[in-house]
Amino acid sequence: GQSLEQPSEVTAVEGAIVQINCTYQTSGFYGLSWYQQHDGGAPTFLSYNALDGLEETGRFSSFLSRSDSYGYLLLQELQMKDSASYFCAVRRSGNTPLVFGKGTRLSVIA
Amino acid sequence: ETGVTQTPRHLVMGMTNKKSLKCEQHLGHNAMYWYKQSAKKPLELMFVYNFKEQTENNSVPSRFSPECPNSSHLFLHLHTLQPEDSALYLCASSQERTSGRPKVGEQFFGPGTRLTVL
Repeated sequence: GQSLEQPSEVTAVEGAIVQINCTYQTSGFYGLSWYQQHDGGAPTFLSYNALDGLEETGRFSSFLSRSDSYGYLLLQELQMKDSASYFCAVRRSGNTPLVFGKGTRLSVIA
Repeated sequence: ETGVTQTPRHLVMGMTNKKSLKCEQHLGHNAMYWYKQSAKKPLELMFVYNFKEQTENNSVPSRFSPECPNSSHLFLHLHTLQPEDSALYLCASSQERTSGRPKVGEQFFGPGTRLTVL
C-alpha cells in the first residue's frame, strides 16, 4: 500500500519558524509536493521536490531526502495568515496521480 | 481564483435524490480529477480523466458516476447516496506532458462542493 505520515497538528508563535515533516512509503517515487488549504478553501500548490535538497520560495522552503523517504516544509517568519492545513503528496510514477497525506493543521498564535 | 470553478458550492440532498456536480477549468489543462475530502481523512482520489478518457477509478461505488464530455468540463452524477457520502468534493486539473518527463505535483483545485446527504 501507499502511506504518507505527517503530524496532525502543529502550533507555533507568530514570527517563528516551523517545520512540518513528511515520511512516505510508496511503490515508486517521482517527487514530493506540498499543498496549503485554508478552512473552507481549496488546496493550493506550494512546492515540489524531485531531487534531494532544499527548494526555497520566499518564506517557504521544502526539503527532500529520497534515501530517507523523507521531506519537510519549512515556514519562516510565521504570520497569522499561515494558519491552515498543509498536505504532502507523492506521485509514484509518470502515469499515476498524487497520493496525499492526511494533512497537518498549523495554528499560528500571537 | 485558481481557474477551476465548481457548482454548486453547497448541496443538501436526500438519499433518493439524483443530483450532479459540475466542474469547469479555464486553464487549458488535459487532465481532470475528482477527490473526496472528509473530516480528519486524507484527500481520497475518486476518478481521473486524461484527455477525456477515464484512466483511474479508485474502487468508487457505482452511486457516483463521472462524465467528462470535453477536456474543460467534468461532472459527477450522484444517485441514492448514503449519509456517509457527506463530504467536500473537490475537482482539480493539471497539465500532463504528452512526452518527456511529466511536470508532476502541480494540480489546481476548485473551491469544492460541500455535500450533505440526509
